[in-house]
Amino acid sequence: GENVEQHPSTLSVQEGDSAVIKCTYSDSASNYFPWYKQELGKRPQLIIDIRSNVGEKKDQRIAVTLNKTAKHFSLHITETQPEDSAVYFCGAGGTSYGKLTFGQGTILTVHP
Amino acid sequence: NAGVTQTPKFRVLKTGQSMTLLCAQDMNHEYMYWYRQDPGMGLRLIHYSVGEGTTAKGEVPDGYNVSRLKKQNFLLGLESAAPSQTSVYFCASSFTTSGGENYGYTFGSGTRLTVV
Repeated sequence: GENVEQHPSTLSVQEGDSAVIKCTYSDSASNYFPWYKQELGKRPQLIIDIRSNVGEKKDQRIAVTLNKTAKHFSLHITETQPEDSAVYFCGAGGTSYGKLTFGQGTILTVHP
Repeated sequence: NAGVTQTPKFRVLKTGQSMTLLCAQDMNHEYMYWYRQDPGMGLRLIHYSVGEGTTAKGEVPDGYNVSRLKKQNFLLGLESAAPSQTSVYFCASSFTTSGGENYGYTFGSGTRLTVV
């Protein structure tokens, strides 16, 4: 089955800096790669996703890049704000009844 | 339109007790999933369902059973709770378009279960 590794496990940045979180996956058949943001005590919320036929996708301050050859994808957050502080999860899958395998999560802290 | 609703939100069980977690979705999604979330381990798939009357095992199914008698509901049962089942449980639903594109999960608000 799919295996997803996510790094770093914790990330601390100053407000206004950029943050990058990286994930690698093992199953070359995976074709769907979402990112979720989870605030303390809340449910994960989808923030951006990318499909295997696209190399990059951007939504305001958030972007995701995908390298299918190397089987890794990354989340980029620019001009970080304190409200970006949360746990971020990457997921990979989509080929088998929509099942996703998730990374271990990254705790992002943005200091004012 | 409530999305995905989980009940209960919190529960404390004694070892050996049983309980059922209910997940209900009103989006007519075909697929439903149960995950558990533990510190440092992310979200791990327990069981999933690809349609009414069907269920399948995920990554960590032992100690759990599920049922999907109606399309909108997916139940997770613990027959004899163990302290190792202390976790936060999330239900999710998703769908695939007629063109075969899968769309990301909509998660419920979670159930925090403690087994003592």
